[in-house]
Amino acid sequence: QQPVQSPQAVILREGEDAVINCSSSKALYSVHWYRQKHGEAPVFLMILLKGGEQKGHDKISASFNEKKQQSSLYLTASQLSYSGTYFCGTVNTNAGKSTFGDGTTLTVKP
Amino acid sequence: NAGVTQTPKFQVLKTGQSMTLQCAQDMNHEYMSWYRQDPGMGLRLIHYSVGAGITDQGEVPNGYNVSRSTTEDFPLRLLSAAPSQTSVYFCASRFQGADTEAFFGQGTRLTVV
Repeated sequence: QQPVQSPQAVILREGEDAVINCSSSKALYSVHWYRQKHGEAPVFLMILLKGGEQKGHDKISASFNEKKQQSSLYLTASQLSYSGTYFCGTVNTNAGKSTFGDGTTLTVKP
Repeated sequence: NAGVTQTPKFQVLKTGQSMTLQCAQDMNHEYMSWYRQDPGMGLRLIHYSVGAGITDQGEVPNGYNVSRSTTEDFPLRLLSAAPSQTSVYFCASRFQGADTEAFFGQGTRLTVV
């Protein structure tokens, strides 16, 4: 079962902040975040693991609430280059499949 | 190091035709998967594999077959193409485990007429 993302779309001015949320109805081993530019493949941003470990992008932060099966991606002081569609992916077992949410489209305007 | 390579990049099929989308990776990843992405939508898992000889269904497997005879290759076969299969298809691979990032191919844009 795929995770649920919110909001569906966000429009910001450069320098503003945004939060993108991801929730799952199943217990999670990890949450992955990817960004996709129009016409391109998704690109890895971050992984958040049970126990609090994080791997990934040094300018983007995220949180993972294991008990609530929720994750949030924090985009602070947004830049034009942050524009794109953000996907969260969830992994339910240690070696298992990754399913993705429907994405959040972020538009950053000058 | 090529990463994940998908071929072809574009394809037009007639309803009822069959074809194979190719996916190859050179990173020795155990886990490979196929997703479809409809316009303005998310990534839907079609099939995945955790190693050579092992495949399993994802969320939307109907109309597609896969096999995994080597670690490097994971082809996706459309048995009898339908207009509803018009989509962009992405192949992804990663090392096994919940803590590994996925690498995506550049996608195959398929149109079924």
